Amino acid sequence: GAVVSQHPSWVICKSGTSVKIECRSLDFQATTMFWYRQFPKQSLMLMATSNEGSKATYEQGVEKDKFLINHASLTLSTLTVTSAHPEDSSFYICSASRQGSAYEQYFGPGTRLTVT
Amino acid sequence: EDQVTQSPEALRLQEGESSSLNCSYTVSGLRGLFWYRQDPGKGPEFLFTLYSAGEEKEKERLKATLTKKESFLHITAPKPEDSATYLCAVLSGSSNTGKLIFGQGTTLQVKP
Repeated sequence: GAVVSQHPSWVICKSGTSVKIECRSLDFQATTMFWYRQFPKQSLMLMATSNEGSKATYEQGVEKDKFLINHASLTLSTLTVTSAHPEDSSFYICSASRQGSAYEQYFGPGTRLTVT
Repeated sequence: EDQVTQSPEALRLQEGESSSLNCSYTVSGLRGLFWYRQDPGKGPEFLFTLYSAGEEKEKERLKATLTKKESFLHITAPKPEDSATYLCAVLSGSSNTGKLIFGQGTTLQVKP
């Protein structure tokens, strides 16, 4: 149990375009979902926290107008990178926390974004 | 300020050579300490949650322990497939969002 999927697993887009990444909890309802960014050989950097039906809470320094997060249901959250630029190229990982799990987070496989 | 420090940054072991990874933390009221394994190009895989000092958990060749200041991940007789980055994270009592504070990780390489 506690499987989280992400789609796509990798994406290449042109500078100035937008790209959407989906995060789904496959076998449980996620009360909270998290979006992280990870640079090579570095640890995870939390971007934002979202609860179903509520606005996301963004970490300091993360542009909310650039990284749009929607948590439409208890099993789906999306991250849209708007007007992407090469510096947005990174590994994006989502995680989900389920009810009664004492805050254990289960991570998706990640999405590799390359902006050309 | 809540902080998590992992050591060593990198560890190379021969197959069968047991060792321990360290995770030191300072946090205002620990609500949980989490260990994850991450393979290159993949998301972290949940291993253990520890809640209070003295608690221990085991899974195959891995054993996690917790004191009031640190946690250890003991690896007994490791195999090459145990090679990965191991991440430690804590949940602070001051968090109301479930935000985890991650350490920088320890990259383990086990040579056959």
